[in-house]
Amino acid sequence: KQEVTQIPAALSVPEGENLVLNCSFTDSAIYNLQWFRQDPGKGLTSLLLIQSSQREQTSGRLNASLDKSSGRSTLYIAASQPGDSATYLCAVRPLFGGSNYKLTFGKGTLLTVNP
Amino acid sequence: DTAVSQTPKYLVTQMGNDKSIKCEQNLGHDTMYWYKQDSKKFLKIMFSYNNKELIINETVPNRFSPKSPDKAHLNLHINSLELGDSAVYFCASSQDTLTLQPQHFGDGTRLSIL
Repeated sequence: KQEVTQIPAALSVPEGENLVLNCSFTDSAIYNLQWFRQDPGKGLTSLLLIQSSQREQTSGRLNASLDKSSGRSTLYIAASQPGDSATYLCAVRPLFGGSNYKLTFGKGTLLTVNP
Repeated sequence: DTAVSQTPKYLVTQMGNDKSIKCEQNLGHDTMYWYKQDSKKFLKIMFSYNNKELIINETVPNRFSPKSPDKAHLNLHINSLELGDSAVYFCASSQDTLTLQPQHFGDGTRLSIL
């Protein structure tokens, strides 16, 4: 059974700092990995999706890496801003199985960027 | 031009009642999902429908019955509500089950059972 763990559970940084969020998963047979952002009272917004054959994806100040063999992904946020404050979730999609489009989520990292 | 919309946003009701949550997507997607996010913020899939057909049912009590009148709608009906049903319920959609496109989520329905 796939388990996804995110550390730290919460992170508070001053504005302008670069930061790294971590995600680990127990079963390396994944189709892809996705990073989401969840704002309070809102749904999830997809940030980056990395295919199992890729090692990283970039979008603006965000860079996500994937090391499938070790079961790890990191989300790097450069020059953080108060508007980046949110909960960041990672989710993996399994490679095999009849319902292999089912996402398994981590519990998220609550990021606070202080002005 | 909301992509995935859920109603109501908040639902407060008493134990034992029956309630429904509606979801609609205007993205032309074939696949829709219901997720439950509990008090510990753990997000778990409940159901998935592809072209109006049920494809995932994650050992959810049969008090929960999804209904998909067409592929743009996936409603969730809950009978005999219990305290443990209090959570935020998210609807989502994706183009289909095969492509590598991300899922799009609604803003959630916060269900509180008194």
